[in-house]
Amino acid sequence: KQEVTQIPAALSVPEGENLVLNCSFTDSAIYNLQWFRQDPGKGLTSLLLIQSSQREQTSGRLNASLDKSSGRSTLYIAASQPGDSATYLCAVRQGGSGSARQLTFGSGTQLTVLP
Amino acid sequence: NAGVTQTPKFRILKIGQSMTLQCTQDMNHNYMYWYRQDPGMGLKLIYYSVGAGITDKGEVPNGYNVSRSTTEDFPLRLELAAPSQTSVYFCASRLGPGAQVNQPQHFGDGTRLSIL
Repeated sequence: KQEVTQIPAALSVPEGENLVLNCSFTDSAIYNLQWFRQDPGKGLTSLLLIQSSQREQTSGRLNASLDKSSGRSTLYIAASQPGDSATYLCAVRQGGSGSARQLTFGSGTQLTVLP
Repeated sequence: NAGVTQTPKFRILKIGQSMTLQCTQDMNHNYMYWYRQDPGMGLKLIYYSVGAGITDKGEVPNGYNVSRSTTEDFPLRLELAAPSQTSVYFCASRLGPGAQVNQPQHFGDGTRLSIL
């Protein structure tokens, strides 16, 4: 059974700092890995999706990397802003078919960027 | 484009009551999902559907039922509400299948449900 772990559970940084969020997974046979942002009282917004054949994806100040063999992904946020404060979740989609189409989520990292 | 719409946004139920959480999407997505999120936790899959008339259990299906009579709608039914079902429920959809397997999931804003 796939397990996804995110460390740390919470992180506070001063505005302007570069930071890295970590995600690890136990089964490397994945289709893709997705990073989401969740604001309080809101649903999840997809930030980046990395296919299993890719090593990284970039969108603006965000860069996500994937090392499938070691079961790790990182989300790098450059020049953090108070508006980046949210919970960041990673999720992996397993290979195969049937129930394997589901996403397995980590429990998230709650990020606070201090002005 | 509304995306994924969930109703209601909040609800309080008494133990033993039943209710239906509504979810509709206007993106013509084949795949739809129901998740629950408990405080400080990730999302756990309750049920999913790969198309109209087809549903399947996820990781935590007990106490819930679903139906998928149309592509757009995927309601989640709680028959006998229990305190353990207090949670935030999210509906999601994605295009799927086959070559579209790498399409991201789109989420609704959630239904916050309390069972007292």
